Amino acid sequence: GAGVSQSPRYKVAKRGQDVALRCDPISGHVSLFWYQQALGQGPEFLTYFQNEAQLDKSGLPSDRFFAERPEGSVSTLKIQRTQQEDSAVYLCASSLDRGQGNTIYFGEGSWLTVV
Amino acid sequence: AQRVTQPEKLLSVFKGAPVELKCNYSYSGSPELFWYVQYSRQRLQLLLRHISRESIKGFTADLNKGETSFHLKKPFAQEEDSAMYYCALSGIWGDDKIIFGKGTRLHILP
Repeated sequence: GAGVSQSPRYKVAKRGQDVALRCDPISGHVSLFWYQQALGQGPEFLTYFQNEAQLDKSGLPSDRFFAERPEGSVSTLKIQRTQQEDSAVYLCASSLDRGQGNTIYFGEGSWLTVV
Repeated sequence: AQRVTQPEKLLSVFKGAPVELKCNYSYSGSPELFWYVQYSRQRLQLLLRHISRESIKGFTADLNKGETSFHLKKPFAQEEDSAMYYCALSGIWGDDKIIFGKGTRLHILP
């Protein structure tokens, strides 16, 4: 596709419900990132993949958050037993590789509201 | 600790006036600094990066290592510059996550 695609764009979940957010990176992009952006805040790093390998998951806020990229392209961010504080925009981004000078391209985000 | 600070949440500037969005950082090592912009209803996109030394849409930013600052400047503001601006940093070798500031909303007054 032309850019990073995320789905769903909007999701309302009841507290305690599990959600799955999908990211389709730009074709051929090796690196994939997930960020969480709460209202009025900047994007906060969650996790990073290089191909199918999850190289950094230091930003995942709890063990309720899980991300995968099994075939090195599409990625899914799963949140189990959602809580109100999980309400945020979840941004996916990809880049050709992780080296210096490579531009990171962001998707439009998945807006999650937990009620 | 790695940190990016943008002291202003909102900056209102008249059209044609100079713009300066402030950014200070804390990083133990050699950082690469960026400015990202998000226009209304659009996705976050890279505006400029310090290693490129480019001027994009009339904006420039100079890395001042002594003051650990990377302020974004434009001599004459235009209405289409109204947007959210995020300062960000990563390790210079591209092997570190990008850390963002909280952002400054720039509002250009007619």
